[in-house]
Amino acid sequence: KQEVTQIPAALSVPEGENLVLNCSFTDSAIYNLQWFRQDPGKGLTSLLLIQSSQREQTSGRLNASLDKSSGRSTLYIAASQPGDSATYLCAVIGSARQLTFGSGTQLTVLP
Amino acid sequence: DAGVIQSPRHEVTEMGQEVTLRCKPISGHNSLFWYRQTMMRGLELLIYFNNNVPIDDSGMPEDRFSAKMPNASFSTLKIQPSEPRDSAVYFCASSSEGSSGNTIYFGEGSWLTVV
Repeated sequence: KQEVTQIPAALSVPEGENLVLNCSFTDSAIYNLQWFRQDPGKGLTSLLLIQSSQREQTSGRLNASLDKSSGRSTLYIAASQPGDSATYLCAVIGSARQLTFGSGTQLTVLP
Repeated sequence: DAGVIQSPRHEVTEMGQEVTLRCKPISGHNSLFWYRQTMMRGLELLIYFNNNVPIDDSGMPEDRFSAKMPNASFSTLKIQPSEPRDSAVYFCASSSEGSSGNTIYFGEGSWLTVV
């Protein structure tokens, strides 16, 4: 059974810092990996999708990497802003197309 | 596109009542997922449909929960009878197979409180 772990559980940084969120998974036989953002009281917003054949994806200030062999993904946020404050969730998509979520990293960017 | 649409957004009901949550996936998507989110257990997959057929319902907690997808544009998740421990946020999500992979899109969720 796939297990997804996210470290750290919470992170607080001053505005402008670059930061890295970590995600690890136990079964490397994945189809895709997707990073989401969730604001309090809201749904999940898709940030980046990395296919199993890819090593990274970039969107604006966000860069996500994938290392299937080691069961790891990272989400890099450059020049963080207070508006980036949210919970970031990593989800591994299995061969049957279902997602297994990590417990998330709660990010606070201080102005 | 309007995205994945869920209703109701919020519902408060008494224990023992029937609850029906509704979902309209993104047009053209052929996969639909129901998830439940709680503080204690995070996001859990309840059931997954592909082309309107239930593929994996192993996450449905017990017989009180049932889900249907009568057509490609509508799905329901029903809880009968409801219990306080069913209080959670229920998310519907959809995706489609494509050359760029299958990004999964979530609705805004249905906040259920059973008192």
